[in-house]
Amino acid sequence: GQNIDQPTEMTATEGAIVQINCTYQTSGFNGLFWYQQHAGEAPTFLSYNVLDGLEEKGRFSSFLSRSKGYSYLLLKELQMKDSASYLCAVLDSNYQLIWGAGTKLIIKP
Amino acid sequence: DAGVTQSPTHLIKTRGQQVTLRCSPKSGHDTVSWYQQALGQGPQFIFQYYEEEERQRGNFPDRFSGHQFPNYSSELNVNALLLGDSALYLCASSLRTSGSADTQYFGPGTRLTVL
Repeated sequence: GQNIDQPTEMTATEGAIVQINCTYQTSGFNGLFWYQQHAGEAPTFLSYNVLDGLEEKGRFSSFLSRSKGYSYLLLKELQMKDSASYLCAVLDSNYQLIWGAGTKLIIKP
Repeated sequence: DAGVTQSPTHLIKTRGQQVTLRCSPKSGHDTVSWYQQALGQGPQFIFQYYEEEERQRGNFPDRFSGHQFPNYSSELNVNALLLGDSALYLCASSLRTSGSADTQYFGPGTRLTVL
């Protein structure tokens, strides 16, 4: 079966750095997405990785290791507005998105 | 440039009823995917429409059906509603190019409550 694992919840302090991990086992791989979802709202696109390595985009960076089936999302200089759920999703061999359950990130002052 | 829009935003139905949800894709997009998201869970793929045909389907029963119109907008129909169908229904649009991973952009969702 296909499986994507993320921690259920994480807590961090405003101004700090947090790393949200995602491991996956899917039938094929055509890329990995990270989305941010505030409570009651739709997911918004953060990043896409298809090759190994680190992609940096402002305060957010995403890393991928295809051989390890592993990715992480790194958030720097945390702000209160970063409190949200972060969803990891993998595009499988049928170009279908398989989603993790999401990591709820709580930012404390 | 209009983003993805969905209607209605909220809906309350009773068991056994039927419901139709609507989605207009982002301007320039031709592919619409529908997802069901239960509270505290990630989205679950229902199906995807391109060129007015269902191209892929997730593990959902035939009670879930859809349609795509020539203007690329789409409808999701659910028959014989069950309590377990209560969820946030998300529509995502993308531009389909063969063999590539096109980023999906989500609408605000329709919150369906089945009583």
